[in-house]
Amino acid sequence: DSGVTQTPKHLITATGQRVTLRCSPRSGDLSVYWYQQSLDQGLQFLIQYYNGEERAKGNILERFSAQQFPDLHSELNLSSLELGDSALYFCASSSRTSGSLLAKNIQYFGAGTRLSVL
Amino acid sequence: AQKITQTQPGMFVQEKEAVTLDCTYDTSDQSYGLFWYKQPSSGEMIFLIYQGSYDEQNATEGRYSLNFQKARKSANLVISASQLGDSAMYFCAMNGNDMRFGAGTRLTVKP
Repeated sequence: DSGVTQTPKHLITATGQRVTLRCSPRSGDLSVYWYQQSLDQGLQFLIQYYNGEERAKGNILERFSAQQFPDLHSELNLSSLELGDSALYFCASSSRTSGSLLAKNIQYFGAGTRLSVL
Repeated sequence: AQKITQTQPGMFVQEKEAVTLDCTYDTSDQSYGLFWYKQPSSGEMIFLIYQGSYDEQNATEGRYSLNFQKARKSANLVISASQLGDSAMYFCAMNGNDMRFGAGTRLTVKP
């Protein structure tokens, strides 16, 4: 058990809908990362938050947004869903922010939320 | 830009034998970290081992060791005494401003 909790485990919805994925980081970790894993794109970094502030952005669509709350849990909001958004969404947490001077930034992953858009 | 390359889509190994999973990387950073993760069929991503760019010795964690060759920009994972439970996808990753993952290698351990 990594200590990172993601809910729900599975989500089935229809095109055009909006969903919210939730992540609770490991106790004491300030950084939260979101990733999308699909068969054709592999594991893609979406966005990172550090202590409530957005720190880095990857290949995140404008239809997607995220936030980190004062209690450090994070939510990823996916709207106007399309069939191609079906994927496994991971949250990871670490105790540090990323950066070349802080290379040992081990990210611990949650079990993921499997999203199916029908 | 950082890039991670895993050239072996699939690998087979006999139980109890050792196997090496290849990983090469490209970065202009002087300080960076290299990681390996395991993803079994259940889907979770499990951290295995870390190597820092300034670490002089290769990292080891139990049956896992990382063969780090900085000049060649390679960070191969060696699994000794393979077990059936080692069958999984293995991802090499590198961090800088964000974590970049390779495409993964699917390892199958044969009994």
